Amino acid sequence: NAGVMQNPRHLVRRRGQEARLRCSPMKGHSHVYWYRQLPEEGLKFMVYLQKENIIDESGMPKERFSAEFPKEGPSILRIQQVVRGDSAAYFCASSPSGTAGEKLFFGSGTQLSVL
Amino acid sequence: DQQVKQNSPSLSVQEGRISILNCDYTNSMFDYFLWYKKYPAEGPTFLISISSIKDKNEDGRFTVFLNKSAKHLSLHIVPSQPGDSAVYFCAARGNRDDKIIFGKGTRLHILP
Repeated sequence: NAGVMQNPRHLVRRRGQEARLRCSPMKGHSHVYWYRQLPEEGLKFMVYLQKENIIDESGMPKERFSAEFPKEGPSILRIQQVVRGDSAAYFCASSPSGTAGEKLFFGSGTQLSVL
Repeated sequence: DQQVKQNSPSLSVQEGRISILNCDYTNSMFDYFLWYKKYPAEGPTFLISISSIKDKNEDGRFTVFLNKSAKHLSLHIVPSQPGDSAVYFCAARGNRDDKIIFGKGTRLHILP
């Protein structure tokens, strides 16, 4: 009965490096959402994906950030050339479908620290 | 431009008393509302939800009230227990939108 799995739990990168965050949704879930939580802030929506499709990326920064959810394997949130301001907790959530009325199931998050 | 607002960053309540957490929203297209609870170093977990066609939903010690005309909802926890100490996020979704928008959260402290 595995829940949403995120790895790594903690990721340390130096400025200019790339960060890759992975998310495996719950079994049977085909919808994945990424959220970012900055210190003392709420959860900010970043992107919503279904298998092989980006449905809504209205919360993604225009540059350096990308996300994918391939047919096989986990969803990946990729941050290129990280800066200190990217330091945050990144949460992935999944749902069986995107219809209204369904709750999201969250992973434990990846804490990204940029030195 | 915050569409979901939780104006109280923190709240302290005596064990056994009622905890009331408040949330306001600005988008009249929201038609489904949720409350999530979060412990440190863990992801948020779903607590309770309410559709806009209702004004109250109850689940054990937790009750959510929705006032559509005021664009306000509240979460009542009674009686409050030590394990209720956590951050509570109010969230909302529009009827044509699959993403859920979260507030900044309220940190609830249950005092012994």
